Amino acid sequence: KQEVTQIPAALSVPEGENLVLNCSFTDSAIYNLQWFRQDPGKGLTSLLLIQSSQREQTSGRLNASLDKSSGRSTLYIAASQPGDSATYLCAVRRDNDMRFGAGTRLTVKP
Amino acid sequence: DTGVSQNPRHKITKRGQNVTFRCDPISEHNRLYWYRQTLGQGPEFLTYFQNEAQLEKSRLLSDRFSAERPKGSFSTLEIQRTEQGDSAMYLCASSFGAGQTYGYTFGSGTRLTVV
Repeated sequence: KQEVTQIPAALSVPEGENLVLNCSFTDSAIYNLQWFRQDPGKGLTSLLLIQSSQREQTSGRLNASLDKSSGRSTLYIAASQPGDSATYLCAVRRDNDMRFGAGTRLTVKP
Repeated sequence: DTGVSQNPRHKITKRGQNVTFRCDPISEHNRLYWYRQTLGQGPEFLTYFQNEAQLEKSRLLSDRFSAERPKGSFSTLEIQRTEQGDSAMYLCASSFGAGQTYGYTFGSGTRLTVV
């Protein structure tokens, strides 16, 4: 059974700092990995989708990497802003099964 | 297309009542998924449809839960005889079905509170 773990559970940083969020998964036989952002009480917004054959994806200040063999992904956020404050979830997909981590709650202080 | 739409956004109900949620997926997507999320946890899979066929159900989906997707368009999730443990955010997602390389698009969710 696929297990997805996200570390740290919570992170607080000052504005402008670069930061890394970690995601690990136990079964490397995945189709893709997706990073989501969730604001309090809201749904999930897709940030980046990495196919199993890819090593990384970039969108603006976000960069996500994937090392399938070691079961790890990182989400790098450059020059963090208070508007980046949210919970970040990673999810891995195989077949029709998408498994989520519990998320990292990020607070960026002005 | 404005994305995945879920209604209502919030629902407060008394224990023992029945509730029904609706999800309208992105029109081109033939796959539709329901997830449940409790506070501080990631979403957990409940069930999925390809077109109108319900192809998979989680063990989390007790016999009080039923989901439908008539005509392969919108979907409804009904909970009968609600219990306090049913309080959660119910999320719907849709995706293309051709190949496994597509990501999921989620709606804003329906927050259920059972009092």
